[in-house]
Amino acid sequence: GDSVTQMEGPVTLSEEAFLTINCTYTATGYPSLFWYVQYPGEGLQLLLKATKADDKGSNKGFEATYRKETTSFHLEKGSVQVSDSAVYFCALSSKGGGNKLTFGTGTQLKVEL
Amino acid sequence: EAGVTQFPSHSVIEKGQTVTLRCDPISGHDNLYWYRRVMGKEIKFLLHFVKESKQDESGMPNNRFLAERTGGTYSTLKVQPAELEDSGVYFCASSQDSGHNSPLHFGNGTRLTVT
Repeated sequence: GDSVTQMEGPVTLSEEAFLTINCTYTATGYPSLFWYVQYPGEGLQLLLKATKADDKGSNKGFEATYRKETTSFHLEKGSVQVSDSAVYFCALSSKGGGNKLTFGTGTQLKVEL
Repeated sequence: EAGVTQFPSHSVIEKGQTVTLRCDPISGHDNLYWYRRVMGKEIKFLLHFVKESKQDESGMPNNRFLAERTGGTYSTLKVQPAELEDSGVYFCASSQDSGHNSPLHFGNGTRLTVT
């Protein structure tokens, strides 16, 4: 079945540091890939998505590229801010599964001054 | 527009008791989903409604869980009787259509603690 593996946290960075959160997936066919973010006390929000190979999703300075050859969708940001502190979830939806999502375990990010 | 709302935000109950969680989707969204995150683990799909019908309930863990969506508006998820392993955060999400690129809008979740 479908699965998503993402790096374990927590990840602690200083402000303005470079961020990478790794995500790899297993799925039949060509899924759509997503990053969701959960800020403290809030629900999940879609951060970015990519629907086909080599697509790059981007939002709020975050980027992730759909790599079919390595089945990866790593999240990156060049310079993190304290306000980026949150839990980040990688997810996929398979073409035959509607928009039912398969999530990774989440990676908690803490950014300090 | 109002987002997806869930009630209560927190619930603490004893093992063996009953709890009912409620979700109000975004108005006009026919698709409603329930997900659950057990502490530190991945968020797992529970079930999917299209209007009042259960489209997919393959993620429901056992028959102690009962989900309803009478009239195709709000949904409830009842756990009876609750067990310790049911503790976690229960998320509801809604979407206008069910295409695999259609974005899901999530609520803030209900944190359930079973003691």
